Amino acid sequence: AQKVTQAQTEISVVEKEDVTLDCVYETRDTTYYLFWYKQPPSGELVFLIRRNSFDEQNEISGRYSWNFQKSTSSFNFTITASQVVDSAVYFCALSGFSGGYNKLIFGAGTRLAVHP
Amino acid sequence: DGGITQSPKYLFRKEGQNVTLSCEQNLNHDAMYWYRQDPGQGLRLIYYSQIVNDFQKGDIAEGYSVSREKKESFPLTVTSAQKNPTAFYLCASKGVGAEDTEAFFGQGTRLTVV
Repeated sequence: AQKVTQAQTEISVVEKEDVTLDCVYETRDTTYYLFWYKQPPSGELVFLIRRNSFDEQNEISGRYSWNFQKSTSSFNFTITASQVVDSAVYFCALSGFSGGYNKLIFGAGTRLAVHP
Repeated sequence: DGGITQSPKYLFRKEGQNVTLSCEQNLNHDAMYWYRQDPGQGLRLIYYSQIVNDFQKGDIAEGYSVSREKKESFPLTVTSAQKNPTAFYLCASKGVGAEDTEAFFGQGTRLTVV
């Protein structure tokens, strides 16, 4: 069975603080993909990153960075020097092959509020 | 431009009625998905499909039905059996296998029971 857990329901920070959003996943698949999406108040899902299970290199994109650790089944997301525009709900997602089908499931999301 | 289109953006349904939400993609993706999002909640998987004329139940399929007669289209019907249908519905498509991609989402349909 596949499962994605985002234990942090809401996080509130002051602008310029660093913040880490946690994601823990469960899967029996040896090949799978992990994703992060951002959902601003307008409702659309904005893709941030995709990582396959064989690539454990950490990634940095501007103020965003991701730490993938298979040993702990975690794929955490850090925003450095947060800004008000980062306020949104962030979702972690897992795509694997359950019974031969490409099932894509999401965590419950973490609502990030960045205050001036 | 390639993308995924959901319609309508807003939909009102009377109790006891069936309604169908449209989802069309021109990205040539094999996999398509339907999710439900309630206020302050995450995305819960309703149905998904990987090939034409085949689809699988997700975690909350009761009260919903789908069809996949064409690769580009994956409509969702919310039936009268769905007791609490008011929610935000999101459709997604995704490349799979050798052409694996991230999931692309539509703008969503907000369904309200009146």
